[in-house]
Amino acid sequence: AQSVTQLGSHVSVSEGALVLLRCNYSSSVPPYLFWYVQYPNQGLQLLLKYTTGATLVKGINGFEAEFKKSETSFHLTKPSAHMSDAAEYFCAVSEWYAGNKLTFGGGTRVLVKP
Amino acid sequence: DGGITQSPKYLFRKEGQNVTLSCEQNLNHDAMYWYRQDPGQGLRLIYYSQIVNDFQKGDIAEGYSVSREKKESFPLTVTSAQKNPTAFYLCASSIQGVKDNEQFFGPGTRLTVL
Repeated sequence: AQSVTQLGSHVSVSEGALVLLRCNYSSSVPPYLFWYVQYPNQGLQLLLKYTTGATLVKGINGFEAEFKKSETSFHLTKPSAHMSDAAEYFCAVSEWYAGNKLTFGGGTRVLVKP
Repeated sequence: DGGITQSPKYLFRKEGQNVTLSCEQNLNHDAMYWYRQDPGQGLRLIYYSQIVNDFQKGDIAEGYSVSREKKESFPLTVTSAQKNPTAFYLCASSIQGVKDNEQFFGPGTRLTVL
């Protein structure tokens, strides 16, 4: 079975500071990995995804993530936080071989301080 | 605009009642999914369907039922057998048969049992 662990359920950053959200996964097959963002009382929106090829993936809103197979990690970063980045972020791994199901981490809520 | 709609946005239920949550998509996606979201637990899969007239249980199917009579519709019924139904429910869809394809999410329904 696949699993995803997000370290830190809450992260607080100052506006303009680096945002770093950690995600580690376990998978018995080559993983397809995703980061989603959720604003309060809304659905999830895709930030970026890793499938194959380049290990540094760029997404929307200035976010990027790096796939590191040796560390089974897919950490999400943004160089400079903006107030609009306050939201909850979810890392997920795809069971593409079984109905394209997603297994999600517990989520990390980001607070941006002015 | 293509997308996923969920209704109602807020739903209140008395204990012992069944309720049905609506999910409709006009993305022409074959696969549809229902997730339950509780604080600090990420998203957990309830049911999913890869094709019309077929569906499979997810990780937490007990107390829930679904139907898939039309490609664009995947309603979820929360039955009185669900012991703790208060949660945020998210519907998603995706293209079937494509390994790296992401899921698209609706805006969610917040169910509260009184």
